[in-house]
Amino acid sequence: AQSVTQLDSHVSVSEGTPVLLRCNYSSSYSPSLFWYVQHPNKGLQLLLKYTSAATLVKGINGFEAEFKKSETSFHLTKPSAHMSDAAEYFCVVRGVMDTGRRALTFGSGTRLQVQP
Amino acid sequence: EAGVAQSPRYKIIEKRQSVAFWCNPISGHATLYWYQQILGQGPKLLIQFQNNGVVDDSQLPKDRFSAERLKGVDSTLKIQPAKLEDSAVYLCASSTGQGDSPLHFGNGTRLTVT
Repeated sequence: AQSVTQLDSHVSVSEGTPVLLRCNYSSSYSPSLFWYVQHPNKGLQLLLKYTSAATLVKGINGFEAEFKKSETSFHLTKPSAHMSDAAEYFCVVRGVMDTGRRALTFGSGTRLQVQP
Repeated sequence: EAGVAQSPRYKIIEKRQSVAFWCNPISGHATLYWYQQILGQGPKLLIQFQNNGVVDDSQLPKDRFSAERLKGVDSTLKIQPAKLEDSAVYLCASSTGQGDSPLHFGNGTRLTVT
């Protein structure tokens, strides 16, 4: 079985300050990990993905995430928040289920607010 | 490239009525997914197609939900009869289905059941 825990349901930062969105995962096999962003009334957009290459992954819009196997974490960071970053962020794990089939599991999301 | 197209964007129906959603995936994408996203939660997989075959429908409430992808391209998801708890955003996504190819999502259909 696999699971994803996003440790904060809401995060509020000031514009220009760093962003940290936390994600822990559980997977029986070496997983692939993704971060998606969802702006209001929009579909989900891929920010970045980890697929067993470099542990520090750079994505779009200045976001990056570091895969830490020992901590089973895949936290999303950005050095300086912009107003346009306000959105819902989802951490996603893709691993092998008990059936042998690969499947995605979504976290419950973190709503990022950016204050002017 | 054109993205995943979904229609309608919004739908309001009364309980016990039926409703259908349509999805046109990115051209050439073999895998198509339907997700249900209840307010405040992450998306939950309803059904996954590989071309026109069903790969996973284990979480589809088959007594009221049905989906098809007859020609392996666009897809429809139907609810009959609808319940209040079906109020959600229904997201369609597609991918090439190869390796760890990412999912590309449509903007979703927001369903309100009154």
